[in-house]
Amino acid sequence: EVQLVESGGGLVQPGGSLRLSCAASGFTFSNYWMNWVRQAPGKGLEWVANIKKDGSEKYYVASVRGRFAISRDNAKNSLYLQMNSLTADDTAVYYCAREGVVVAATTFDIWGQGTMVTVSS
Amino acid sequence: SSELTQDPAVSVALGQTVRITCQGDSLRSYYASWYQQKPGQAPRLVIDGKNNRPSGIPDRFSGSSSGNTASLTITGAQAEDEADYYCNSRDSSGSYLGVVFGGGTKLTVL
Repeated sequence: EVQLVESGGGLVQPGGSLRLSCAASGFTFSNYWMNWVRQAPGKGLEWVANIKKDGSEKYYVASVRGRFAISRDNAKNSLYLQMNSLTADDTAVYYCAREGVVVAATTFDIWGQGTMVTVSS
Repeated sequence: SSELTQDPAVSVALGQTVRITCQGDSLRSYYASWYQQKPGQAPRLVIDGKNNRPSGIPDRFSGSSSGNTASLTITGAQAEDEADYYCNSRDSSGSYLGVVFGGGTKLTVL
């Protein structure tokens, strides 16, 4: 079964750090771009970051650039998101998502169940 | 960065047809994909960038596009289609390969 399972969420104080993980199974992880998408409580989806198949290219939404770092370990079929200098605005459910191979499109064909990050004192 | 605009809310009578739209400059260069999200659940792909339906998505869901507008059409809406719907596409700002989502449309089936 093709599956993504996130972990690592929790409660963190403002200014703190957290590392999210996403374990992939059921497909050849190294063949796909991977993404993090978040959703603040009661709000819409916001793309956070993506990473190329071999990890050589990474892109971020402006609001997290310089604070968050996406990475992957293809040997472990795992995706990561290191989050530093967290603020209340980063409070959200964080999803990892696989980007399917559709030319000229960004189709997220597999999603994890999400992990909640709460930034609060 | 690019933006995608969706109507915040749309309603449809049971069994009728509804179209949800997504507008943005990036759609002149890139295809939109569509996602359904029900309360407490992760999003689910319903239409990919080539307007194809993944396995398990009913054929009442279809996609189309024209110019800077992409559309998701549900023909014969069912009660279980009540959900939030989001579009996304590539962010077309230069060599930056980011992604942008629309703000979402809450579909109510009456």
